[in-house]
Amino acid sequence: KQEVTQIPAALSVPEGENLVLNCSFTDSAIYNLQWFRQDPGKGLTSLLLIQSSQREQTSGRLNASLDKSSGRSTLYIAASQPGDSATYLCAVSSPSGGGADGLTFGKGTHLIIQP
Amino acid sequence: DAGVIQSPRHEVTEMGQEVTLRCKPISGHDYLFWYRQTMMRGLELLIYFNNNVPIDDSGMPEDRFSAKMPNASFSTLKIQPSEPRDSAVYFCASSISYNEQFFGPGTRLTVL
Repeated sequence: KQEVTQIPAALSVPEGENLVLNCSFTDSAIYNLQWFRQDPGKGLTSLLLIQSSQREQTSGRLNASLDKSSGRSTLYIAASQPGDSATYLCAVSSPSGGGADGLTFGKGTHLIIQP
Repeated sequence: DAGVIQSPRHEVTEMGQEVTLRCKPISGHDYLFWYRQTMMRGLELLIYFNNNVPIDDSGMPEDRFSAKMPNASFSTLKIQPSEPRDSAVYFCASSISYNEQFFGPGTRLTVL
């Protein structure tokens, strides 16, 4: 059964710093990996999707990488801003997940950017 | 497009009552997913549909839970009878095949 782990569980950094969030998964046979952002009391906003054949995706200040063979992904946030404060969730779609097409989620990294 | 629409946004009910959650996926999406989020277990897949057909319901916790998708633009998740441990945020999401999933705002359910 697919399991997704995110480290660290919480992170607090000063504004302007570059930071890296980590995600690992147990079964490397994935279809894709998706990073989400969740604000308190809100739904999930999709940030980046990496297909299994891809190594990375970029959107603005965000860059996500995927190393399928080692079961790892990182989300790099450049020049962090207070508005980046949220919980970041990593999720994979895989045959061994809860469903062949559904997502298996990590517990998230709670990020606080100090002004 | 307005995105994935869920209703109600908040639901408070008493134990034993029937609860129906509703979802309208993004037009043109052929997959629809129901997830549940709790503090203890995080986000979990309950069931998903492809072209209105249920594909995998192995995540549905008990027979008290049922889901339907009568057409491409509407799905329901029903809990009957509801119990306090069902209290959670229920999300609906939709996608085109193995692509990006888009989530609705969620329904916060409280069972007293």
